[in-house]
Amino acid sequence: AQKITQTQPGMFVQEKEAVTLDCTYDTSDPSYGLFWYKQPSSGEMIFLIYQGSYDQQNATEGRYSLNFQKARKSANLVISASQLGDSAMYFCAMRERGGSNYKLTFGKGTLLTVNP
Amino acid sequence: GAVVSQHPSWVICKSGTSVKIECRSLDFQATTMFWYRQFPKQSLMLMATSNEGSKATYEQGVEKDKFLINHASLTLSTLTVTSAHPEDSSFYICSARGRSLIATNEKLFFGSGTQLSVL
Repeated sequence: AQKITQTQPGMFVQEKEAVTLDCTYDTSDPSYGLFWYKQPSSGEMIFLIYQGSYDQQNATEGRYSLNFQKARKSANLVISASQLGDSAMYFCAMRERGGSNYKLTFGKGTLLTVNP
Repeated sequence: GAVVSQHPSWVICKSGTSVKIECRSLDFQATTMFWYRQFPKQSLMLMATSNEGSKATYEQGVEKDKFLINHASLTLSTLTVTSAHPEDSSFYICSARGRSLIATNEKLFFGSGTQLSVL
């Protein structure tokens, strides 16, 4: 079974509007971390935001916020006031506490296109 | 923030040759480095995890004799694709975790990736 599911292969949004990228996860580990990374066409992975499983508040980082619904096992990324430079692939990822090597498991990604 | 440098960015090689990709942590000591492979428009697939001074741990289905990983120091890990074939053509990207990272942040830092094309 997939541990990270991103159901939106592609999303379009108008510049200056908000967009939500979906992510659901599957784990039985009570301690885990959820990440969102942005990958522009150049290939590098850019860290956006992190949410710990025990965090009471939804994480926010500038225009990025994470809508964390633990009971539903979802961790959607909300980008407010979209900019043209936000066009990229976005990956949701999870780290589980089990194991000592701190592995990240990635979803298949969502390609976001911001239209002018 | 922490920086991970990966070289080369692009490499084209002939089938049968070996290619070495370097991943360096520039301003922190990377106790653990991860190597991922990414096909076009696909997700990152973890290939192996290397801890400094010990043998790498490979994910199921990854040929350890083909993808040699060396993590000889706290700032350098290398991935060598031996006897490369066209099916090895892919985007390879490393990431690193270091002792100095703030635990609550827990983010990994990624290199910029290497696009390997085997002719």
